Amino acid sequence: AQKITQTQPGMFVQEKEAVTLDCTYDTSDQSYGLFWYKQPSSGEMIFLIYQGSYDEQNATEGRYSLNFQKARKSANLVISASQLGDSAMYFCAMREIGTGNQFYFGTGTSLTVIP
Amino acid sequence: NAGVTQTPKFQVLKTGQSMTLQCAQDMNHEYMSWYRQDPGMGLRLIHYSVGAGITDQGEVPNGYNVSRSTTEDFPLRLLSAAPSQTSVYFCASSLWTDPETQYFGPGTRLLVL
Repeated sequence: AQKITQTQPGMFVQEKEAVTLDCTYDTSDQSYGLFWYKQPSSGEMIFLIYQGSYDEQNATEGRYSLNFQKARKSANLVISASQLGDSAMYFCAMREIGTGNQFYFGTGTSLTVIP
Repeated sequence: NAGVTQTPKFQVLKTGQSMTLQCAQDMNHEYMSWYRQDPGMGLRLIHYSVGAGITDQGEVPNGYNVSRSTTEDFPLRLLSAAPSQTSVYFCASSLWTDPETQYFGPGTRLLVL
């Protein structure tokens, strides 16, 4: 079974609009962390936001917020006020803290911001 | 503070050749890891290390060896390259106490003919 599922291969959003990128995860660990990374066309991996499994509040970092629904095992990324520079691949990832700190990545969502 | 560095940036190998991908960090991070990224897929963990002298296998370890003799360096060895190992390889590191911020290197693009 896939540990991380991203069901949207590609998304389009109008500049200045908000967009939600979906992510669901599968784990039996009680202690885990959820991450979102951005990968622009230049190829580097850029950390965006983190949510711990015990965190009760949704994580926020500037225009990024993580909509964490533990019972549904979902960790959607919300980008507010999209900018042209947000066009990139976005990866959801999970670290299972209880089983040796392995990381698992989803297949990614390609986001295109339209002027 | 150079962060995470990887060499080479690009490499072409013939099937059966061996080589070592270098990874170094100058942030005194305990945790280091190697990933591969194939087209249409996310990153998959190959091997990781939680400190000098300690390594463990990730999701796709076959065909790769690692060692961690120092905190700074975490080389990845391809024992006998195969076309299926054509990929982009990323090294990453983080503090054990701050795992949510995982720093990635710029990547090594490997082509096996």
